[in-house]
Amino acid sequence: EAGVAQSPRYKIIEKRQSVAFWCNPISGHATLYWYQQILGQGPKLLIQFQNNGVVDDSQLPKDRFSAERLKGVDSTLKIQPAKLEDSAVYLCASSPGGGTGFIQYFGAGTRLSVL
Amino acid sequence: GNSVTQMEGPVTLSEEAFLTINCTYTATGYPSLFWYVQYPGEGLQLLLKATKADDKGSNKGFEATYRKETTSFHLEKGSVQVSDSAVYFCALNVDYKLSFGAGTTVTVRA
Repeated sequence: EAGVAQSPRYKIIEKRQSVAFWCNPISGHATLYWYQQILGQGPKLLIQFQNNGVVDDSQLPKDRFSAERLKGVDSTLKIQPAKLEDSAVYLCASSPGGGTGFIQYFGAGTRLSVL
Repeated sequence: GNSVTQMEGPVTLSEEAFLTINCTYTATGYPSLFWYVQYPGEGLQLLLKATKADDKGSNKGFEATYRKETTSFHLEKGSVQVSDSAVYFCALNVDYKLSFGAGTTVTVRA
């Protein structure tokens, strides 16, 4: 079974530029999450989707971050414009729902450096 | 709110030494508890889990017991190997949302 796929693995941009990250969850997983992991900290939830609907985006800085999950499968996370403090690893995770729905499976992440 | 506090690192050990990483939590409701591991250059992997009080999770020689009375979920391994060098994260899940600790970096020397 293929895992959670993310691209790109690395991205370097200048502040005020835009950037987008892509995630393909494990096949059949209804729930998809985006996390931000700043160096030396644990991951922090940005947004949670159930199929193609948003369940929780309370921690998403909506003035500059946006995310979508079209057709309830792939998802993209966008930052526009980027700030220096957005430098972090952006992790995507998915979970199947049901009895073991609380187990999340993570992709390798996208490391963003904002200069 | 929900939060996790885990032992600060970094931790450096010799091979075959005993490893303990402390983790305590604060949660509303009844959380499930997890340890995730992040090897260099890789994503987070689930190491072990426990879903209710007194459950013991185990995997790859690691163990952790869900202690409701002390709100703890300490990770232990009796004899570490160089391949156990990684960052370890304690996490809790309430309502399908994970809250993570800050992570503990473990380095095992041959």
